[in-house]
Order: sequence, then structure tokens, then C-alpha cells
Amino acid sequence: AQSVTQLDSHVSVSEGTPVLLRCNYSSSYSPSLFWYVQHPNKGLQLLLKYTSAATLVKGINGFEAEFKKSETSFHLTKPSAHMSDAAEYFCVVSDWVNDYKLSFGAGTTVTVRA
Amino acid sequence: GAGVSQSPSNKVTEKGKDVELRCDPISGHTALYWYRQRLGQGLEFLIYFQGNSAPDKSGLPSDRFSAERTGESVSTLTIQRTQQEDSAVYLCASSLGSPKITGELFFGEGSRLTVL
Repeated sequence: AQSVTQLDSHVSVSEGTPVLLRCNYSSSYSPSLFWYVQHPNKGLQLLLKYTSAATLVKGINGFEAEFKKSETSFHLTKPSAHMSDAAEYFCVVSDWVNDYKLSFGAGTTVTVRA
Repeated sequence: GAGVSQSPSNKVTEKGKDVELRCDPISGHTALYWYRQRLGQGLEFLIYFQGNSAPDKSGLPSDRFSAERTGESVSTLTIQRTQQEDSAVYLCASSLGSPKITGELFFGEGSRLTVL
């Protein structure tokens, strides 16, 4: 079965500094991977997805993620954090056989200091 | 509608009571999903609908949980004889097709259930 592990439960950064959210996946096959963001009192929103095309994926709001098969990682980065980036971020993998079934990581809460 | 709508947004109930949670997906989305989010944890898959049928109910925690979808639109998740461990945020999502193909599930804001 596919699964993801988010290595940090909480990340705190200063505004204008880089953000790194770490995610490792476990999959027997080439996975489809996603990052979702959940702002307070809002529904989850897709940031970006990887589905076996380019390994460097660009998403909304300046975020990007790199798929590294050798490291089984899909880390999310942003060069310069903004106050509006404060939210919870989920790394997600879809099941190879039943691709409608998504497995979510436990989430990483990002706080941004002024 | 413009987005996925869920009701109620908050529900407090006593142990042993039944609850119904409603989801209105985005118009035209044939796929509908229910997830559960417990405090401090990731989302847990409950059930998936394609149209009105539910090909995968494997995530339902027990036979106290059931869900239906009518008219390829509204879905209702019912929890009978609620227990304290049912306390969670129940999230509904919809999509045009599978996540791998369309890449995106559209989520509602959730129904927060508290069982006393």
C-alpha cells in the first residue's frame, strides 16, 4: 500500500525566508503525489501534483516540489515565505490500483513570523 | 454551486444519538468522497461514489456508518449510535474524475462533529 510521511509536524519561518516542507513516500509503483494546503476555516486546496511527467513541479502561490525517486521524497519549497502562507500542508499519494483513494500525511503546520 | 457545500458546519450530539451530515458537490462532478480528519491526524478515507454507486466502502469504520448519494448530487453520511471516538471533522470532496487524471479534489469546509 502507498503511504506518505511528513517529517515535520510544525515549521516556523520568518517572512521573506525560504520554506521547506519534507515528505517521504512509500510506493511499490511510480506514484502520483500531491500537496494540499488548508487555511484556517477553509477547505483543502490543491497546491501542485506530480503524475510521472516533469520531476520538478510548479504550483500555485510560488510553491514547487521535486520528485526524487532515489530518495523517495517529494519535498515542498518556496523561496520566500509570505504571511499568507501560514496554514497546514498535507503531502498526499494516490493508490496505484484504486487511484481515487488518496492517502494523506499527518500534516505540517506552517507559521510565518513577521 | 461554486464550491462543495457541507452542512452542518458544527454538530454537537450526545453519545448514542444518530447524526446526518450532508454534502452538496460541485455541479457536474461525478465523483464524490468522504474523509474523516481526527485532531492532529491526516485525512482518513471513508467512502467513494462514482455517480450514485459506491464501488469502495472499505474505509467506513464500522456498520454504524453509512452513506448514500442521490441524483448524482447530494450525499448524506449517517452515523448511528454515535460514540466519542466518532468526534472528528468530516470532509466531503468532489471531482470530475479520478485524482490521477484530473489531479484535483475540491473539498468542502467540513462538518465538525463532537460527541459528548
